Amino acid sequence: QVQLVQSGAAVKKPGASVKVSCKASGYTFTIYDINWVRQATGQGLEWLGWMNPNSGITGYAQKFQGRVTMTRNTSLTTAYMELSSLTSEDTAVYYCARESARLYGMDVWGQGTTVTVSS
Amino acid sequence: SYELTQPPSVSVSPRQTASITCSGDILGDNYACWYQQKPGQSPVLVIYQDTKRPSGIPERFSGSNSGDTATLTISGTQAMDEADYYCQAWDSSAAVFGGGTKLTVL
Repeated sequence: QVQLVQSGAAVKKPGASVKVSCKASGYTFTIYDINWVRQATGQGLEWLGWMNPNSGITGYAQKFQGRVTMTRNTSLTTAYMELSSLTSEDTAVYYCARESARLYGMDVWGQGTTVTVSS
Repeated sequence: SYELTQPPSVSVSPRQTASITCSGDILGDNYACWYQQKPGQSPVLVIYQDTKRPSGIPERFSGSNSGDTATLTISGTQAMDEADYYCQAWDSSAAVFGGGTKLTVL
């Protein structure tokens, strides 16, 4: 079945970086964009950016420009999101979600990866 | 940056109709999507392109967009519909989420 499976929880110190993976299966990886969305405890959804797995083209939310990098390995059908210069404000659940052409909604979501930033 | 505004909470009695609004300028030129999120779970797409339901989403979920306000309507609300609901749209280069609405089925 179509699914996105994310890497496990991570605990990082302030100033460090975190890299979260998102493995796609059950569909052609390069056809759908991958979005990254995060959610702090008790808060709403916040979009970080998107990546086209076919071309590698990315687009980042202005808030995260210079601090987020989205990449992929097409052979492994896996997308990655790396966030640097972490602070406690980055503590959240991070989701990947696929979407087609910005027309059909984010129809498949990963299970989420909890990132905790603590000294 | 663009914003989408939702009411923080909506209450509805079982079997009644619940309406959740989402307002913002970008809705005049862009489709709205709606997501349902239950505690401890990933969001689930319930409406895309303003009015369309993905396969597997019950018919009681419907959507509309009047230009600057999108509305999610749940007819015959059931206890299982109690959840947080988020609207989302794209501007030219970024996805924007509303702040979310907690739907309580009393």
